[in-house]
Amino acid sequence: DTEVTQTPKHLVMGMTNKKSLKCEQHMGHRAMYWYKQKAKKPPELMFVYSYEKLSINESVPSRFSPECPNSSLLNLHLHALQPEDSALYLCASSQEGDYGYTFGSGTRLTVV
Amino acid sequence: QKEVEQDPGPLSVPEGAIVSLNCTYSNSAFQYFMWYRQYSRKGPELLMYTYSSGNKEDGRFTAQVDKSSKYISLFIRDSQPSDSATYLCAMKRGSGGSNYKLTFGKGTLLTVNP
Repeated sequence: DTEVTQTPKHLVMGMTNKKSLKCEQHMGHRAMYWYKQKAKKPPELMFVYSYEKLSINESVPSRFSPECPNSSLLNLHLHALQPEDSALYLCASSQEGDYGYTFGSGTRLTVV
Repeated sequence: QKEVEQDPGPLSVPEGAIVSLNCTYSNSAFQYFMWYRQYSRKGPELLMYTYSSGNKEDGRFTAQVDKSSKYISLFIRDSQPSDSATYLCAMKRGSGGSNYKLTFGKGTLLTVNP
């Protein structure tokens, strides 16, 4: 299995809703990432988990809350989002060390 | 000066052409270089991963790194309409700690016309 699986593929939520994005990989990768990508822009790093511990938080607003329940799963909890948070949210994983990153297909989030 | 510069294009070529995509960077701490292909509304797909200066070939794709010039390239031979996508260069400093962060170029939109 060489995939990163993200669910849901599409999500529409109101500004008062709480929702979660899920990411799963079974490649034995010990580093997992959340990226945000706006249209026609490159991905921007949000969070990095290494060995299930939060390693990097790129000053992301607290309305985004990451969670890594185990080495295969990564969640992103969303609460009180703004319309400008609408974007493609990408999960990625990599082996520890110097390797390329495998991205999922993303969740396209629309905040209304 | 941005850390990574990439011409956003768009670039339009006929089928069968050789395509050259390039990025320059300013941070000499970058050691690892990647090329990703991203189809519309999909996640980026890793095409090539290189460390040292020189060439790396995989099928129709060749990645080239010149650390002395801070310049990387991706060549696509015998381009196909299915190669139409946005190509992103990415690089990082090393492994572990803050070196997890990938720095991306803006991406080049490529269209291969049948």
